[in-house]
Amino acid sequence: DVKVTQSSRYLVKRTGEKVFLECVQDMDHENMFWYRQDPGLGLRLIYFSYDVKMKEKGDIPEGYSVSREKKERFSLILESASTNQTSMYLCASRLDRGSYNEQFFGPGTRLTVL
Amino acid sequence: DQQVKQNSPSLSVQEGRISILNCDYTNSMFDYFLWYKKYPAEGPTFLISISSIKDKNEDGRFTVFLNKSAKHLSLHIVPSQPGDSAVYFCAAPLFNTGNQFYFGTGTSLTVIP
Repeated sequence: DVKVTQSSRYLVKRTGEKVFLECVQDMDHENMFWYRQDPGLGLRLIYFSYDVKMKEKGDIPEGYSVSREKKERFSLILESASTNQTSMYLCASRLDRGSYNEQFFGPGTRLTVL
Repeated sequence: DQQVKQNSPSLSVQEGRISILNCDYTNSMFDYFLWYKKYPAEGPTFLISISSIKDKNEDGRFTVFLNKSAKHLSLHIVPSQPGDSAVYFCAAPLFNTGNQFYFGTGTSLTVIP
């Protein structure tokens, strides 16, 4: 079974802090994704990565950056946390062998910025 | 601009009856669609998918129907069970843009015992 783990289930930070969210997958997947989920807005893509050191902006990259130094790990960085970044953050990975493969999600990190 | 839309934020169904969740899309380049199920405080899990070369795909109690001309898909759950109560997202990837997946806003299904 594919396993996607996220470093924290719940996180509380203060405005202006630098925040790191870590995601690790154990199935050698090429693609990894960071989403945020907000009520009424569904899942919105922040960044995704084709492979190691490769990254692409999603729909809402402002205020975020990412790092993928190793294939299994994809980090989301909030450079200076703000209250409007309070959200559920979901990491996903996907095998990039042909087109028709689903994403596997981690359990999510509920981030609160005070 | 929302390329995948779920216009019903919530749905309540009696146990044993059929649940029908709907999804519309605007991009004619989509050729593969997925449904995910999400319980509170958990990540979404893959439920069922359909390729655009088909108009129906069935897996146990779950069936997805695709109407390409209407740019519409639906998920049918028969019979509905209380454990099906969750948020359901439809999604579509665009592989020519680097595997970006587009998600709908979700429909919260409540199955009443």
